[in-house]
Amino acid sequence: AQSVAQPEDQVNVAEGNPLTVKCTYSVSGNPYLFWYVQYPNRGLQFLLKYITGDNLVKGSYGFEAEFNKSQTSFHLKKPSALVSDSALYFCAVIGGFKTIFGAGTRLFVKA
Amino acid sequence: GAVVSQHPSRVICKSGTSVKIECRSLDFQATTMFWYRQFPKQSLMLMATSNEGSKATYEQGVEKDKFLINHASLTLSTLTVTSAHPEDSSFYICSAPTILAGAHEQYFGPGTRLTVT
Repeated sequence: AQSVAQPEDQVNVAEGNPLTVKCTYSVSGNPYLFWYVQYPNRGLQFLLKYITGDNLVKGSYGFEAEFNKSQTSFHLKKPSALVSDSALYFCAVIGGFKTIFGAGTRLFVKA
Repeated sequence: GAVVSQHPSRVICKSGTSVKIECRSLDFQATTMFWYRQFPKQSLMLMATSNEGSKATYEQGVEKDKFLINHASLTLSTLTVTSAHPEDSSFYICSAPTILAGAHEQYFGPGTRLTVT
């Protein structure tokens, strides 16, 4: 069965510092991987996806993610965090025709 | 880009009543839509897949008679929570896949906050 794991419930980082939000996956076949962000009482916003091609994927708001097949990881990164990046982040994988979400990681960026 | 809307954004109802939530794809057609439920500080749980012109497919553990789904047209799916109870209070989110965004991508509605008193 397809699954994703986000090992950290919460990540704290100071503004201006680099941030990483971790995600590992388990799929049969080629993985289709996504990152979404959710602000309070809002729906999900798409950040980026990996389908095929370059392992480093660039997305919205300066975020990027690196697909690592040997480590089955798809960590979300940003070189310099902003306070406005504080939100809930979900890693997701396509399983069949369905999207399977990780548990989510809450990111706090402190000024 | 593609837009998915939900109505209402917030609703408060009394126990025992029914509530209907609408999900619309505004600028594309969606033969399939997904309904999720999200508890506070938790992930999204897929409830069901809504299929235009046929019955919805429910995930294991989701009561189909309680959560009625109707995919009336290529741009509208509705979720009706029947005989609502306080434990049905949650954040409900719909989504729709679209070829406009390329393969395997979904657009999400803004969500509906349901509070049952």
